[in-house]
Order: sequence, then structure tokens, then C-alpha cells
Amino acid sequence: DIQMTQSPSSLSASVGDRVTITCRASQHISSYLHWYQQKPGKAPKLLIYGASSLQSGVPSRVSGRGSGTDFTLTISSLQPEDFATYYCQQSYSTSRTFGQGTKVEIK
Amino acid sequence: QVQLQQWGAGLLKPSETLSLTCAVYGGSLSDYYWSWIRQPPGKGLEWIGEINHSGNTNYNPSLKSRVTISVDTAKKQISLKLSSVTAADTAVYYCARESGSYLNRWFDPWGQGTLVTVSS
Repeated sequence: DIQMTQSPSSLSASVGDRVTITCRASQHISSYLHWYQQKPGKAPKLLIYGASSLQSGVPSRVSGRGSGTDFTLTISSLQPEDFATYYCQQSYSTSRTFGQGTKVEIK
Repeated sequence: QVQLQQWGAGLLKPSETLSLTCAVYGGSLSDYYWSWIRQPPGKGLEWIGEINHSGNTNYNPSLKSRVTISVDTAKKQISLKLSSVTAADTAVYYCARESGSYLNRWFDPWGQGTLVTVSS
């Protein structure tokens, strides 16, 4: 399986901060990398697909970059509704795998 | 807009078989793969497997010996069976559509999730 490693595992930030989460794949996955946001008790919600394409309805303060093995998710100005857990997921391999998650908490 | 509605038994004893169903509303079953994903309490997401409308499946190698995913195209339903469950299979189980094409496939939308608890 392709291992996906996110960093950090958690972070504390304030409203208005710029936040960046990193996802690293154990092997090359081209741009087949997607990002999700999950709030407690809810199903994950797609934010970014294909490493950098913004899902419809997702605010433009959210962006994704990267290709190969290293990827980032950035929220340019953190809002109260952005406090959640974020997951990356690869689809390069038939056996899909997720990162372990990054919890974004209020400082 | 496609919506996924899932249901199934929420409490099982060790060694029993988990059985969940996911119905597709407002969209076609064809032209997509459909996945099951689970999340143990307080932990991350684990992909279980996928199926398309023709019944072609792919499974997570770690669960392959115990998993069966099937499709009923007439009812627009996808089903999951996981045999010989243990406490380690306690999780919220989600169904999700794989959107996109070729290798560029992501999960959207998702079902509401079903908590399955395995306890004697």
C-alpha cells in the first residue's frame, strides 16, 4: 500500500491565521491527491481534488498544491468554520489510502 | 443532486457478519465506482473496497478475506458484508461515490455513516 503521512497531526491557530498542512506519499502519485474536511459526527467533505482543483462551493481561501510525493493544503485566513480535522487521500493505487488526519484547533 | 442513504445492524457479537446497504437517490449508479470506508471511534479513515455497476470489485488487501461488496442495479443499492467481526471492526461505516475518472478519483458524495459496534 501507498502510505500517506500528514504533518502536523494537530495544530492550534487563531482566526485569521494562515495555515498549511502537509501530506507526503511513500511513492510517486502524480496529482492523484485529494483533501477532505471532517467535523465531529459528520461525514468527510471534499475540499480539493486532483491536488489543486477546488470543489464547487468551497471558499477560495482554501487551496492545494503539489505533485509527485509532496502536497500541501493551505487556508489563507482561518475562519471559525474551518476548525476541523483534515485528511488527504491518494487514488494512484487501486487500494486507496488516507493520511492519518490533521486536527486544526482554536488557539 | 445525488444522495446516499445507508442502513444496517448497529450492534453485533464477535464472529457475526456485518451487513450494510447504501441506496443511491437522484443519480445514476452506472459510470461510477462506489466505495465503503470506515472510521474507528476517534481514529482516521480506512478504505474497505469498491464496486462498479458491472460488479467489478477491488478490496483493501488487509480486509479482502472477510469482505464482500455487491451491487443491485435495479434497486440502485450497494451492499457490504464483513464476516467474522471482532471488536477491532467497531467503527462508523460510510458509503461514498467515486467521482472523477481513470486514476483521478475522489469520494463525493458520502452517506451519513452508520455506527457498528461489536461487543459480546
